[in-house]
Amino acid sequence: QLQLHESGPGLVKPSETLSLTCTVSGGSISTSNIYWAWIRQPPGKGLEWIGSIYYDGSTYYNPSLKSRVIIVVDTSKHQFSLRLSSVTAADTAAYYCARDDPSYYYGTQVGDAFDIWGQGTMVTVSS
Amino acid sequence: QSVLTQPPSVSAAPGQKVTISCSESSSNIGNNYVSWYQQFPGTAPKLLIYANNKRPSGIPDRFSGSKSGTSATLVITGLQTGDEADYYCGTWDNSLSASFGGGTKLTVL
Repeated sequence: QLQLHESGPGLVKPSETLSLTCTVSGGSISTSNIYWAWIRQPPGKGLEWIGSIYYDGSTYYNPSLKSRVIIVVDTSKHQFSLRLSSVTAADTAAYYCARDDPSYYYGTQVGDAFDIWGQGTMVTVSS
Repeated sequence: QSVLTQPPSVSAAPGQKVTISCSESSSNIGNNYVSWYQQFPGTAPKLLIYANNKRPSGIPDRFSGSKSGTSATLVITGLQTGDEADYYCGTWDNSLSASFGGGTKLTVL
């Protein structure tokens, strides 16, 4: 059974870079037509999609975060990673990795289904 | 990016039916699929509905989804106390990004 697990520091200083890794087990990260996503949730607030990556390295990012986000994949380690630069207190959140199963209509993406999630990891931005 | 609007809260009694709406002012819902997620406090969200009205394996048929125009609806029938959770809609944006609604807290009275 496919499982995802997030890892990384729980505390990051303002202006520094947040780095998290998601390890995929029980299945292949190199699955056709499957992307891998990062999603976050500030305390007491809703979900925010950060971005998604394909095993070949192609990415989609949230336009509001695009200037600060990099998502990379390492298929040999069955991992994909998030880097969010110049963090502030507003980046304090639970960060989830998830499997992203897109839907297509005549070759155009028309939907997403985040069907398998990691347990999440809380990251606090504070000095 | 899409702005999806959900009611902050809904409530109903056990055994009853509840509907949760998800609306959008632009055309993204109309042109794209909607998904729904259930989240209990302190846990990761769980996919309930994808592609507007499809249920993943293991999701009871008490949960159903529909879409009309620029609005989508999650319907839960035969409410149980264990359904008390936060529910989020999500969609794909024509600008190549995913977005979620603000979430709806379901209270089972």
